[in-house]
Amino acid sequence: QVQLQESGPGLVKPSETLSLTCTVSGDSITSRTYYWGWIRQPPGEGLEWIASMYYSGNTYYNPSLKSRVTMSVDTSNNQFSLKLTSMTAADTAVYYCTRVLRDYGDFPIDYWGQGTLVTVSS
Amino acid sequence: YELTQPPSVSVSPGQTATITCSGDKVGRNYTSWYQQKPGQSPVLVIYQDAKRPSGIPERFSASNSGNTATLTISGTQAMDEADYFCQTWDSTTYVFGTGTRVSVL
Repeated sequence: QVQLQESGPGLVKPSETLSLTCTVSGDSITSRTYYWGWIRQPPGEGLEWIASMYYSGNTYYNPSLKSRVTMSVDTSNNQFSLKLTSMTAADTAVYYCTRVLRDYGDFPIDYWGQGTLVTVSS
Repeated sequence: YELTQPPSVSVSPGQTATITCSGDKVGRNYTSWYQQKPGQSPVLVIYQDAKRPSGIPERFSASNSGNTATLTISGTQAMDEADYFCQTWDSTTYVFGTGTRVSVL
């Protein structure tokens, strides 16, 4: 049974950098079948894609966030991470880590973490 | 690139709910659909326009052509009450629809 678990701070101050980690269990992050990624959802709003990455390094970023986002993979610990700089109140959201099916043209997301609420406030 | 969905759809139990996802030439790209119940993570219910993942009931079906992708829930049950989002991959970018709340009244 595949599980994805986000970890990181629930509260970040404005202008600071958010760092989140997703720990994958039940599957290898080096599997050739998947990408791994991050999605966020502001309270009461829709879904916003942040970034997706193949374990060997191909990375895709949301153009509207690209200047502030870095995604990386730690194969030794079967984890991947997100850094988002210059946080503002507009970045308050539930952040989900995800597994993406790489072999389909719509890159569907077949597993989601439980999500972690990140609030930006001083 | 934007995908527009109706904010809400109401359906009686046992009837058919139809949710549209409109975008310029959306039919040229494969589309997925997700169900999200309050306080839960989204669940994939349709991928590659019309395929159902294992465990998704047959009452969920979908199509995609021209400028509209459509999710259909036949014989809607109370447990289907949720938010639904369409999603596609446009070149190098994910695009999510605006979301539709399905109410089973």
